[in-house]
Amino acid sequence: ILNVEQSPQSLHVQEGDSTNFTCSFPSSNFYALHWYRWETAKSPEALFVMTLNGDEKKKGRISATLNTKEGYSYLYIKGSQPEDSATYLCAFMTTDSWGKLQFGAGTQVVVTP
Amino acid sequence: DAGVTQSPTHLIKTRGQQVTLRCSPKSGHDTVSWYQQALGQGPQFIFQYYEEEERQRGNFPDRFSGHQFPNYSSELNVNALLLGDSALYLCASSQTGDQPQHFGDGTRLSIL
Repeated sequence: ILNVEQSPQSLHVQEGDSTNFTCSFPSSNFYALHWYRWETAKSPEALFVMTLNGDEKKKGRISATLNTKEGYSYLYIKGSQPEDSATYLCAFMTTDSWGKLQFGAGTQVVVTP
Repeated sequence: DAGVTQSPTHLIKTRGQQVTLRCSPKSGHDTVSWYQQALGQGPQFIFQYYEEEERQRGNFPDRFSGHQFPNYSSELNVNALLLGDSALYLCASSQTGDQPQHFGDGTRLSIL
């Protein structure tokens, strides 16, 4: 993998269901992995910054894991609510491009009541 | 505590013109990054400014230039506008280059 890839591109979830999606990134020269939530008509909001292999972060019903050796991160939403509807973006930073965040195209999540 | 503010909100220009976009960072932040977001894509990193210097640059031509002022606010300048420059331009600030970024609402630039 040369760049960050997110899958799926979009998903529809029933309210109350749990879901997860993937961010894949180059594993070499890893420095940090960021997750952002971008709701319609708002600006992107930082969820997590992850730096260590095996990192697990949690914020309410949203959690994330990180595997730097194989180059992927999972974002989980437990008990989805309509307010979780947003595009979720991941972005990675390498040691040789410190400060430069490379974003994926995002996973669009739609939660229906 | 004001967050990141960008101006203007919307802008319409014609090919060949020049444009300046402005950004004021969140209070306490000294690092400003600029991104271009085209439809269906994630934000693309243009450059990052710290201590009034360009610290990192993405794969954008020299037509894209920037500036950071002593009060940490920043400008993005684009010369010789092309139709392909039509996009949402996002400014983000952070306490250091690797900390969570706080984004503004963006400037929507349309090139006719």
